[in-house]
Amino acid sequence: RKEVEQDPGPFNVPEGATVAFNCTYSNSASQSFFWYRQDCRKEPKLLMSVYSSGNEDGRFTAQLNRASQYISLLIRDSKLSDSATYLCVAYNAGNNRKLIWGLGTSLAVNP
Amino acid sequence: DAGITQSPRYKITETGRQVTLMCHQTWSHSYMFWYRQDLGHGLRLIYYSAAADITDKGEVPDGYVVSRSKTENFPLTLESATRSQTSVYFCASSDQVGGNLGYTFGSGTRLTVV
Repeated sequence: RKEVEQDPGPFNVPEGATVAFNCTYSNSASQSFFWYRQDCRKEPKLLMSVYSSGNEDGRFTAQLNRASQYISLLIRDSKLSDSATYLCVAYNAGNNRKLIWGLGTSLAVNP
Repeated sequence: DAGITQSPRYKITETGRQVTLMCHQTWSHSYMFWYRQDLGHGLRLIYYSAAADITDKGEVPDGYVVSRSKTENFPLTLESATRSQTSVYFCASSDQVGGNLGYTFGSGTRLTVV
C-alpha cells in the first residue's frame, strides 16, 4: 500500500462544476499536508497547504481529517484552466524522504 | 531573474556515459532537492541538501552523485547512465523542509538514455 493514495481519475467535468478529490495517507505521524498542481510535462506548483481547521483560497478549499487520515480538495466553479493533475503530499519529519507524494488525480474541465 | 533554473532542458545520452544535470537558485534557500518523476511512481527523492556541503540520500540514490559547494548550485551527476535512468528530473528548493511555504521546482530536465 502506498503511503499517500489518490484516485488517478480522470475526472471529466463541465465548466462551472464543483469537483472534489480525496487523498488518504497511511502514516498517522504525518505532520503537514499540501496540494500541488502539475500541468502536463511541467513542474509541480504549490496550490495550497492543508490545515486541521481547513482552509480556503478563492475557489479552492482544502480539508484535513486526521481521524480518518484523509485530506480533500474542493474546486468550485471549475475553469478550463483548472485542467491539470493534482498531487497530494504528506510531510513527516521522521522520514528521510521528507515529502511523500501521491501519484496525482487528473482533472479535465470541458467547455 | 530570480528563480530556480535547470539545464539542460532536454538531454539524450548513451548508456555508460557520465551526465551532469545542473540546478541553480537565486533565493539563497537552504534546502535543495533532486527528484525524478516516472509514470506509475510519481515523484521520488534522489538526494537533498540542507546547506552547502551537507547532502543526504533520498529514496532512490543509487547511480547518482551530488555536490553542493555553493548554496545556489546543486548539480546531479549520473556516473554511468543506464536506460532505467531515463526520466524527468526536477530540482527544487525551499527555506524549510515540510513547511507551509512548500517547494519551488525548476522546469525539469528530460533525460533519455539510449
